[in-house]
Amino acid sequence: QVQLQESGPRLVKPSQTLSLTCNVSGGSISSGTSYWSWLRQPAGKGLEWIGRIYTSGSTNYNPSLKSRVTMSVDTSTNQFSLKVTSVTAADTAVYYCARGAGGHSDWFAPWGQGNLVTVSS
Amino acid sequence: QSALTQPRSVSGSLGQSVTISCTGTTRDIGGYNYVSWYQQHPGRAPKLMIYDVDKRPSGVPDRFSGSKSGNTASLTISGLQADDEADYHCCSYAGSYNYVFGTGTKVTVL
Repeated sequence: QVQLQESGPRLVKPSQTLSLTCNVSGGSISSGTSYWSWLRQPAGKGLEWIGRIYTSGSTNYNPSLKSRVTMSVDTSTNQFSLKVTSVTAADTAVYYCARGAGGHSDWFAPWGQGNLVTVSS
Repeated sequence: QSALTQPRSVSGSLGQSVTISCTGTTRDIGGYNYVSWYQQHPGRAPKLMIYDVDKRPSGVPDRFSGSKSGNTASLTISGLQADDEADYHCCSYAGSYNYVFGTGTKVTVL
């Protein structure tokens, strides 16, 4: 079964760029109609959808983050990535990657275990 | 896009039922049948419990059920078990290739 694992720095300085990678194992990132999403959760708060990418490279981003977010996919390594520019303390959160349904259904599953990113000098 | 509204907490005794509401608008819950629910134990990643309003993924007990009326979706947990104690998050497609989550509900099993 498909499993996802986030990786990247746990501490990022304000105004810098946050970069995370999600490794997909147990199946090809290119199979089926799935897309690949990033989501985040500040401590003690709810979840927020950041955006998604298809293996074609097509992307959709949360309008509230669109100006600072870029996603990319590398089918040769079965990975997809997230960059968030000009980070502030408000970007401190656990960042999750997840597979999205695609097709005529909608869900996020499975999720990676999460990567806590703290924005601090 | 504002977060969907969920009660902060609900509680029930072992074996009883609880229902969690998730209220949105015509631009999200009311406009699409793409509501999903996620269970999250402390320190763990969310797990899909219900999708497309009322469908259960393979492996999720039939004690979990979903429904929708107008702009409000609901998750009902029947026959509460100790392991059901967790946070629950609703999510809805919100149009224009965007998704919105709920504020989250903590379920306590008494």
